[in-house]
Amino acid sequence: KAGVTQTPRYLIKTRGQQVTLSCSPISGHRSVSWYQQTPGQGLQFLFEYFSETQRNKGNFPGRFSGRQFSNSRSEMNVSTLELGDSALYLCASSLARATSYEQYFGPGTRLTVT
Amino acid sequence: AQKITQTQPGMFVQEKEAVTLDCTYDTSDPSYGLFWYKQPSSGEMIFLIYQGSYDQQNATEGRYSLNFQKARKSANLVISASQLGDSAMYFCAMRQDTGRRALTFGSGTRLQVQP
Repeated sequence: KAGVTQTPRYLIKTRGQQVTLSCSPISGHRSVSWYQQTPGQGLQFLFEYFSETQRNKGNFPGRFSGRQFSNSRSEMNVSTLELGDSALYLCASSLARATSYEQYFGPGTRLTVT
Repeated sequence: AQKITQTQPGMFVQEKEAVTLDCTYDTSDPSYGLFWYKQPSSGEMIFLIYQGSYDQQNATEGRYSLNFQKARKSANLVISASQLGDSAMYFCAMRQDTGRRALTFGSGTRLQVQP
């Protein structure tokens, strides 16, 4: 069974640009969550999607948005990029939303904003 | 609000020895799950083990076991017979059963296994 895949793996953007990251969950998984990892702030929750609906959102500005498609694939978008958005963006999928279901992570997309 | 605390920024262990990575948590939710993840230098978060708040037995997965002490709000990870490939960052995380079901992570412990 294939794991969670994220594309692209690496990305370099300039301040003010926008970026779209993609996440394909494990087959059959319907919940997709996104996390940002930085050396200073650690791992922080961005948002969660389940059945094409955003269920939870972390404390990030409106420049961060996402969506989920009917096949459970998810995208996140960051507009008007800032230097501080440089981070590893991790996507995690889960069979369902209940706590007892493990979340499996993808390899991440490393975004560098210059 | 929930919080995870990992007080060991770095740990060293000799190959083939056991090591315990500490994790304490704080939550007012009676129902929650505790997770441990390994993050090698490649960046991917690898799921290791899960413990539910109502589970009576400590979780075990191969060389990994979770020492769950609910009254103390601790969920320490024990790695037995350490291997060189165990060198990585280890994160403890918690997810509540109600409200926001996002994982809250600790700051991590960098484990280095020495030959």
